[in-house]
Amino acid sequence: DAKTTQPPSMDCAEGRAANLPCNHSTISGNEYVYWYRQIHSQGPQYIIHGLKNNETNEMASLIITEDRKSSTLILPHATLRDTAVYYCIVRIGTSGATNKLIFGTGTLLAVQP
Amino acid sequence: SAVISQKPSRDICQRGTSLTIQCQVDSQVTMMFWYRQQPGQSLTLIATANQGSEATYESGFVIDKFPISRPNLTFSTLTVSNMSPEDSSIYLCSFKSNEQFFGPGTRLTVL
Repeated sequence: DAKTTQPPSMDCAEGRAANLPCNHSTISGNEYVYWYRQIHSQGPQYIIHGLKNNETNEMASLIITEDRKSSTLILPHATLRDTAVYYCIVRIGTSGATNKLIFGTGTLLAVQP
Repeated sequence: SAVISQKPSRDICQRGTSLTIQCQVDSQVTMMFWYRQQPGQSLTLIATANQGSEATYESGFVIDKFPISRPNLTFSTLTVSNMSPEDSSIYLCSFKSNEQFFGPGTRLTVL
């Protein structure tokens, strides 16, 4: 699986958009970009995933560059409860034998009041 | 989405003993995973456990230290054997449905 690079930490003001970057320059054509987050003392929580098109759900938006070498997770209106470690992961496919999620070090997002 | 639970939620154990962690999912799932999260670190995959077959361990993890059972499609156990303080971690089970979901974790402290 391709490796990802994320900044170790970021701050964001409450109510503002949080934009979390991720580099995955060695991503393969069949690898998806997944985002998970881990709030303190909880298990990781799925946020969103995409292949090459931008995606949006009730939690966030995912913007993937045209060359797919980087992506940005956008939390449109960050709240204090969004303070967490955010993990960007690339993985082959969404089903089948190669299903392992391999976590990197992630970005600690601190939402400030 | 399915609910996933773990028991115990936390434990304090003496070195040299073993602890079995239980993971229960409220629906049938084919693939289950066990992760370890050492203090201040990210998650590390220990093994993949499919019902009806031997667990597949990642590099650095062996069956003698972390035996896994997967007796049916809703349940799995991970045993941490012959524990040492270095085994103090959070152990999380996970399953894949449409997406991958994680249990709340078992916080293990080895004295």
